[in-house]
Amino acid sequence: AQSVSQHNHHVILSEAASLELGCNYSYGGTVNLFWYVQYPGQHLQLLLKYFSGDPLVKGIKGFEAEFIKSKFSFNLRKPSVQWSDTAEYFCAVSKNRDDKIIFGKGTRLHILP
Amino acid sequence: NAGVTQTPKFQVLKTGQSMTLQCAQDMNHNSMYWYRQDPGMGLRLIYYSASEGTTDKGEVPNGYNVSRLNKREFSLRLESAAPSQTSVYFCASRDYSYEQYFGPGTRLTVT
Repeated sequence: AQSVSQHNHHVILSEAASLELGCNYSYGGTVNLFWYVQYPGQHLQLLLKYFSGDPLVKGIKGFEAEFIKSKFSFNLRKPSVQWSDTAEYFCAVSKNRDDKIIFGKGTRLHILP
Repeated sequence: NAGVTQTPKFQVLKTGQSMTLQCAQDMNHNSMYWYRQDPGMGLRLIYYSASEGTTDKGEVPNGYNVSRLNKREFSLRLESAAPSQTSVYFCASRDYSYEQYFGPGTRLTVT
């Protein structure tokens, strides 16, 4: 069965610092990968997704993620974070175009002004 | 265009009571989902439905039933609520590009 691991449960950064959140998945076949964000008091919204092609995916709000198949990883990055990036971030995976989408446990990001 | 709507927003149940959480989407999506969100556990998939009339178990289906009677609506039923089912429940639907759209959630407390 597919599973998703997010290694950082809680990250605290200062504004302008660079961000990298880890995500690893367990399924060995073709996968679709997602990063979602949940701002305080809001519901989840999509940051970016990977299906195929260029392994470096750019999303909204300056976020990007890199798919490294050999490492089963899909880490989220942002060169310079802002206070407004304070939120919880979730990695998700599905087998190739399968409807079953599984989420990781989330990483709570706190940006100090 | 309301997106994904859920009712109720809050609910308190006593152990053993039953209830149904309602979810509807107006985006003509085929696939719909129920997740529960617990602190430190992320979102866990309870059930999903790839199309009207079909449902499949997710990661944590025990204690729940679902019903997809039409394309718009996907309900989640707790037949005999337990304190372990205290959680925030999110419904979602998925478009053709595999983006999921989430509802505002139902905060359920079982005492």
